[in-house]
Parts: sequence; C-alpha cells; structure tokens
Amino acid sequence: DAGITQSPRHKVTETGTPVTLRCHQTENHRYMYWYRQDPGHGLRLIHYSYGVKDTDKGEVSDGYSVSRSKTEDFLLTLESATSSQTSVYFCAISESNPGSPYNEQFFGPGTRLTVL
Amino acid sequence: GIQVEQSPPDLILQEGANSTLRCNFSDSVNNLQWFHQNPWGQLINLFYIPSGTKQNGRLSATTVATERYSLLYISSSQTTDSGVYFCAVPRSNDYKLSFGAGTTVTVRA
Repeated sequence: DAGITQSPRHKVTETGTPVTLRCHQTENHRYMYWYRQDPGHGLRLIHYSYGVKDTDKGEVSDGYSVSRSKTEDFLLTLESATSSQTSVYFCAISESNPGSPYNEQFFGPGTRLTVL
Repeated sequence: GIQVEQSPPDLILQEGANSTLRCNFSDSVNNLQWFHQNPWGQLINLFYIPSGTKQNGRLSATTVATERYSLLYISSSQTTDSGVYFCAVPRSNDYKLSFGAGTTVTVRA
C-alpha cells in the first residue's frame, strides 16, 4: 500500500472557522492532489501540486487554498468553512505526470469534514 | 471533457457468483484505473490497465483501448467484495482523473 496518511480523519467545525487538512506521503512522489467526494458528484479535483511550492487549481477550487513546502506534505485550507464544504476529502499521489501513460494515482484514507 | 460511463449501476450477487462490470469512455486514453471503495470509504487500487488483461487473485480486468472500454471480472464473489467499483481515466488537458459514477456491488452470504 502507498504510504499516504491524512489528518485529521474526522472533523466537525462551525461555519466561518478556518480548517486545515493535512496529507502526508512517504513515497517521495512528485504529484499530489486534493479531491472531494459528494453524493451525486463523484470525486472532483480541488487543487493539485506538481512539485514543492508548485500548485494549481482544479475544477472546484473556490473557497480552498493549498500549500506544499515539502515534498511529503500537501495542506488543504478552508479559509472560512461553509456548510457546502461538508464532504469527504481525499488526498492522492502519483509518481508520473498525469499525461504520462505510467501515471497511477494512489489515494489516502480520506477525511470526513462536517461544517455545521 | 472525457465522459466515463459504468454499468450496471447496481449489482446484487449471491456469494460464489461471478460478475462483469463495464466501463466505457468517450475518448482515447493512455491509461485507466479500477478502484474499489469499501464500505468504510477507502479507495483501493485494483488495476492500472491502459490496455490488455491483468489478473489479481479472483479479480481480472481487460481494457480494449481501441474500442474505448474496460471490463472488470469478479469471480467466486465474497462478501468482502461489496462496495463501489470505480473506473477512472485521465483527461488529456489537465491533471484530473475523470471517474465514472461507479457500480455498487452487494454480495450476500
């Protein structure tokens, strides 16, 4: 199994509070991703990183920011949480770039976030 | 963007039965992944299969890239096979994996 951990695994917070989710990998993979999974929408890409300090937006990036100061850590921050951000958040990693035929993404265990 | 369709949406099996899940995609791809999301929510990599056939225990997968489909075979199903099976393909113009809606498999003892 790919060495990916996410913390916290569960969190309940109130609307308007900041929240930071952490993804930590021990695989030394260059590419890291944050997805959210919601009923009826499947998995949607929030942000991704293609190297230390190199990040970009995915399809549902509004209200989220990310940072990557080390290869192994990718942080997702909700600056001011809203109820629409209640979701399960998955981190993923890959060794090769997504355009490569060798790109395989591995997912962390997920973080269940509830915003009241 | 690329469309990914999975069928059937739901599947109920008796323990020991065999089944086939299908994934169709609308554009040419250079890789494809199958995942199993177990009842605890974990996404487990089953196969990375851009083309050809692979086997892993009771599971096997075949991708025919030229005809834009992939099949996942479950043989001698067990209750631990229950969950949602997703196929996913990369979009050519960005970093996202496009997921199908999944097939929910329930295996009854």
